[in-house]
Amino acid sequence: DIQMTQSPSSLSASVGDRVTITCRASQSISSSLNWYQQKPGKAPKLLIYVASNLLSGVPSRFSGSGSGTDFTLTISSLQPEDFATYYCQQSYSIPLFTFGQGTKLEI
Amino acid sequence: EVQLVQSGAELKKPGESLRISCTGSGYSFTTYWINWVRQMPGKGLEWMGRIDPSNSYTNYSPSFQGHVTISVDKSLNTAYLQWSSLKASDTAMYYCARRMMGGNDAFDIWGQGTMVTVSS
Repeated sequence: DIQMTQSPSSLSASVGDRVTITCRASQSISSSLNWYQQKPGKAPKLLIYVASNLLSGVPSRFSGSGSGTDFTLTISSLQPEDFATYYCQQSYSIPLFTFGQGTKLEI
Repeated sequence: EVQLVQSGAELKKPGESLRISCTGSGYSFTTYWINWVRQMPGKGLEWMGRIDPSNSYTNYSPSFQGHVTISVDKSLNTAYLQWSSLKASDTAMYYCARRMMGGNDAFDIWGQGTMVTVSS
């Protein structure tokens, strides 16, 4: 199985900060990496697919990069509504998709 | 509006059976795989398995194979996740999610979740 490791597990930041979350795969997954945002009591929402493609309707302050084993999600200027938990997911190992353990972004 | 709507919360006893549902609307249901994802209380996301609604072909995570069954009723635009014998450890939120077209197996539409509580 491909293991996905996110860092940090939790992060404290302020409105307006630039924030980067890292996701590392246990083996190369090319660009088959997706990012989700989950707020308490809500279903996850897709933000970025295939490492760097912003889903339509997602604010441009979100961006993704990386390939192979190392990936990043960057929020350029944190807004109050961005405080949530973020998950990466590999979709390289079909059909055994795995998620990272999550990064909780707190005020 | 494209959406997946899941059935309501369930409270069951260990050993009981259960089937929860996920109904798609606003799109061609048979065109997109449906995935099921588990989230145990306070924990992360775990992919359980998926189904192709056009032909009922399924894939399962080894962690869930043999313990759950995924099925579909095309005539109702509904996918199902079922257990024949629940355990307390099945207590979790369960989400269905649609595989994105052209999105390399990203999940672009999610149901609101079904909370399953298994307790004696």
